[in-house]
Amino acid sequence: GAVVSQHPSRVICKSGTSVKIECRSLDFQATTMFWYRQFPKQSLMLMATSNEGSKATYEQGVEKDKFLINHASLTLSTLTVTSAHPEDSSFYICSAKRTSPLGTDTQYFGPGTRLTVL
Amino acid sequence: GQQVMQIPQYQHVQEGEDFTTYCNSSTTLSNIQWYKQRPGGHPVFLIQLVKSGEVKKQKRLTFQFGEAKKNSSLHITATQTTDVGTYFCAGLGNYGQNFVFGPGTRLSVLP
Repeated sequence: GAVVSQHPSRVICKSGTSVKIECRSLDFQATTMFWYRQFPKQSLMLMATSNEGSKATYEQGVEKDKFLINHASLTLSTLTVTSAHPEDSSFYICSAKRTSPLGTDTQYFGPGTRLTVL
Repeated sequence: GQQVMQIPQYQHVQEGEDFTTYCNSSTTLSNIQWYKQRPGGHPVFLIQLVKSGEVKKQKRLTFQFGEAKKNSSLHITATQTTDVGTYFCAGLGNYGQNFVFGPGTRLSVLP
């Protein structure tokens, strides 16, 4: 299957600092990537859809000024958590959408980034 | 908006018993996918179903897409301890751009 990487896998930061998370599709080009947040023992909550070369589409209730998304190339999307606070501590997972020659879409997930804000 | 539900939320089985999780969407789906997430890990793609009434098998796992394309099921025959994890379904609506995930079913297998 397709490979999606995320970096860093873990990050601990002080309250008020900003953290950047990278998501890369290693063996295919992804015009669309997604950013999810997952709290312990809960499902994945879609935060935003990242489209290459255009602005991200944020889900209701997600602050676009706090969670900055940049999708500058077909293989890289970044999520920056600005002025992080303890309540932003979570597991952040990206996925990249791959379209088959038959036109069906599959999402491939990165390994996730565990953010802890002290 | 589109909602995806899964039942049961938790399931504890003895090793060797069968297990089934059900996924229901509030709207018709063009595509449904199943993922498995091990404790501490990330979701791993298992399978994709696109046709009405489609049935696919992967060894002990059987996946089914309902005739109306609004529900799906995952059945595991003779569970093993390696089957432990949370199973998520994710549905793509006919006009949707992104998959909507169900809440997942957490499976525990007792040896």
